[in-house]
Amino acid sequence: DTGVSQDPRHKITKRGQNVTFRCDPISEHNRLYWYRQTLGQGPEFLTYFQNEAQLEKSRLLSDRFSAERPKGSFSTLEIQRTEQGDSAMYLCASSYTSRAYEQYFGPGTRLTVT
Amino acid sequence: GDSVTQMEGPVTLSEEAFLTINCTYTATGYPSLFWYVQYPGEGLQLLLKATKADDKGSNKGFEATYRKETTSFHLEKGSVQVSDSAVYFCALSAMKTSYDKVIFGPGTSLSVIP
Repeated sequence: DTGVSQDPRHKITKRGQNVTFRCDPISEHNRLYWYRQTLGQGPEFLTYFQNEAQLEKSRLLSDRFSAERPKGSFSTLEIQRTEQGDSAMYLCASSYTSRAYEQYFGPGTRLTVT
Repeated sequence: GDSVTQMEGPVTLSEEAFLTINCTYTATGYPSLFWYVQYPGEGLQLLLKATKADDKGSNKGFEATYRKETTSFHLEKGSVQVSDSAVYFCALSAMKTSYDKVIFGPGTSLSVIP
């Protein structure tokens, strides 16, 4: 088990461009979460999946954000028409359903919008 | 709503000093409580947890006791090492509908100097 992985680790993009991030969870975990972390703050919940179903979305997740987990394994988070305020670290985590409080985090993707 | 408050950093200690990082929470019901650690350039790692009142979580020499009467979960270590330099996040998980949403505090940066 190699843990949760995320790709890319860093992304620099210009305002208005679209970006997509990938998360590969721990293989046995059926829950997958996305968080956003800005400098000096703790992670904030964005959305989560139970297998392939997206069951909850935060109000932080505007219409420009979309997440998928098509086969219940890896997940993608897309941001359309990026804005400077989207600059942050995007974290992915996974867990067992029965122990959803115990989430394992990936290293994150740092997005910089110029 | 549910929230976590922790002492502001940065905290700078000499090696072998005693560490306390204060954490208090607000939550309805009976949340589970956690400390996560983020080492430079790495993802969040679960350091320790406590799932009910008076439980003591411990790992790598760190301890925290779930105090329901004071709604606190202070992190302690008797003798810190340079390798403990990291950002520490207090967090809680309170059952909301069908999932356990983890709410993080803002983090406390710790620097240990030789």
